[in-house]
Amino acid sequence: DGGITQSPKYLFRKEGQNVTLSCEQNLNHDAMYWYRQDPGQGLRLIYYSQIVNDFQKGDIAEGYSVSREKKESFPLTVTSAQKNPTAFYLCASSTSGTNGGEQYFGPGTRLTVT
Amino acid sequence: AQSVSQHNHHVILSEAASLELGCNYSYGGTVNLFWYVQYPGQHLQLLLKYFSGDPLVKGIKGFEAEFIKSKFSFNLRKPSVQWSDTAEYFCAVNTGFQKLVFGTGTRLLVSP
Repeated sequence: DGGITQSPKYLFRKEGQNVTLSCEQNLNHDAMYWYRQDPGQGLRLIYYSQIVNDFQKGDIAEGYSVSREKKESFPLTVTSAQKNPTAFYLCASSTSGTNGGEQYFGPGTRLTVT
Repeated sequence: AQSVSQHNHHVILSEAASLELGCNYSYGGTVNLFWYVQYPGQHLQLLLKYFSGDPLVKGIKGFEAEFIKSKFSFNLRKPSVQWSDTAEYFCAVNTGFQKLVFGTGTRLLVSP
């Protein structure tokens, strides 16, 4: 089955700790994205990568970091500098061709920091 | 900066009622438009999309949307909703840089 996997589904961390969220896709997509979803705020773009070894900041990149060493993988690290890390995190991917930007989403990781 | 507005944050309907969810965007150039749906406990998935051509587009599960360029709108409609349509609906715009700008979402509750 082709798709996007995110693990774990639920993640709990203590304040002050960095945590890395996993995102893997087997759709052979060039582009990958990380969003944060908060109630009443929709999806906000954290980081995106259009090609391996390259990535750009989205609208709310502060307190987050990413890497793109492999086409299939785009892990997101939530650092201790992120002031409100508790949220639902969604990973997505898309082709880099003329698909108009259609993105495919993973199941999400719900992060709770206490 | 581009933005997307969804005016209805919460909508409650009875089964068989008609649905219309509003979506307006702010961008003067060529846009690709999307509606995504998030059913409880499920992935965000594409409902329908508009790239060009006929401004009335049909999607899955009986949904349709109309692109009105002069109004910068892309409203979602369904003639008769079902309990299984209970979900959160997101409008999104792509302005050409492989990035989507999402609205804040509309939570639809359909009572049986």
